Amino acid sequence: DAGVIQSPRHEVTEMGQEVTLRCKPISGHNSLFWYRQTMMRGLELLIYFNNNVPIDDSGMPEDRFSAKMPNASFSTLKIQPSEPRDSAVYFCASSQRRNQPQHFGDGTRLSIL
Amino acid sequence: QQQVKQSPQSLIVQKGGISIINCAYENTAFDYFPWYQQFPGKGPALLIAIRPDVSEKKEGRFTISFNKSAKQFSLHIMDSQPGDSATYFCAASNDMRFGAGTRLTVKP
Repeated sequence: DAGVIQSPRHEVTEMGQEVTLRCKPISGHNSLFWYRQTMMRGLELLIYFNNNVPIDDSGMPEDRFSAKMPNASFSTLKIQPSEPRDSAVYFCASSQRRNQPQHFGDGTRLSIL
Repeated sequence: QQQVKQSPQSLIVQKGGISIINCAYENTAFDYFPWYQQFPGKGPALLIAIRPDVSEKKEGRFTISFNKSAKQFSLHIMDSQPGDSATYFCAASNDMRFGAGTRLTVKP
């Protein structure tokens, strides 16, 4: 069965550009998480959705970051405008419910020049 | 944001040895404690998890020990193998905050 699918796998863009990361969770999973991973800060939870509704966005760094989940099979994380310090690997994960095992995608490696 | 403290940051173990990674949490409401394993270029993958109603859970060479009163839990990897070389993360609900990670290297 298909796991969590993220796209693109790699993104290189210039500072100031808009970046959109995409995620397709596992079918039937009701919880979706966006994480950011860097060497300095480790794996940080950015936002968590339950049944397509944002529940906790306290980890979103600033207003330049936004996330949506228009339906149960798709979510986006947008950065506008992007900055070099946003360079990181962004992971999407889904689970059946909140306190259930999370299944991670392979991540999007984002480089902002 | 770090509500889960993980140590050590890195660990080098000889093949066949025991690897031990520790985590401490703050919120007594947490009720799910997973460990994830991450290889380079991949997302973390669930290794083993425990709930606070038991003090130990074993799956093959991997064991979680849980101390509710001390708010600590640890991962033990018995008979460590070079293929276990990866980064390990502990996590705790309800927030699913992850520890900082431990880079494990198992030397042949």
